[in-house]
Amino acid sequence: DTGVSQDPRHKITKRGQNVTFRCDPISEHNRLYWYRQTLGQGPEFLTYFQNEAQLEKSRLLSDRFSAERPKGSFSTLEIQRTEQGDSAMYLCASADLAVDNEQFFGPGTRLTVL
Amino acid sequence: GENVEQHPSTLSVQEGDSAVIKCTYSDSASNYFPWYKQELGKRPQLIIDIRSNVGEKKDQRIAVTLNKTAKHFSLHITETQPEDSAVYFCAARSNDYKLSFGAGTTVTVRA
Repeated sequence: DTGVSQDPRHKITKRGQNVTFRCDPISEHNRLYWYRQTLGQGPEFLTYFQNEAQLEKSRLLSDRFSAERPKGSFSTLEIQRTEQGDSAMYLCASADLAVDNEQFFGPGTRLTVL
Repeated sequence: GENVEQHPSTLSVQEGDSAVIKCTYSDSASNYFPWYKQELGKRPQLIIDIRSNVGEKKDQRIAVTLNKTAKHFSLHITETQPEDSAVYFCAARSNDYKLSFGAGTTVTVRA
């Protein structure tokens, strides 16, 4: 499968624990985006990278959230001291800046904070 | 920032009828408007998109129209089929390349 992949697909954790999600974009896509989707809502932008540079962070991304893309390929999103309000689907998307029309989405990581 | 509103939130149509979903956006700098289809438990998938220099685009049973002056765009699905049942999201993108999504429309096609 050459599409965007995310791992894990599901994560259940207790409040206060740290979690880390991984996104592998389509090979050679230089743009990588993180979105959060709650039930009944559209995806909300969190942050994005161009290669390894993090270019923008939404105000939704509190200090407990951090994202990295160290080598300009895969990316990780870490949530520290999880809260019940963090429960959501976390979606990753990638795009090729040279052909930037479409963002291709991964299957998402569904986080449940108990 | 960009604000996208989408209506209706739910839409039930008889198989074979047409479905229309409407969206408005706030940022006049937005220049790209994709529509995504998301089936239950699956990833959003692009079904059609339109750029700001075009007023209408069609792909088989799906068409999108854009009115830049009024800042609204619409998705039209003709001859609906049961497999068209899904949640549809409109989105708008301005020069910073991030997408702002509407809240989604749940479309149910009745057989």
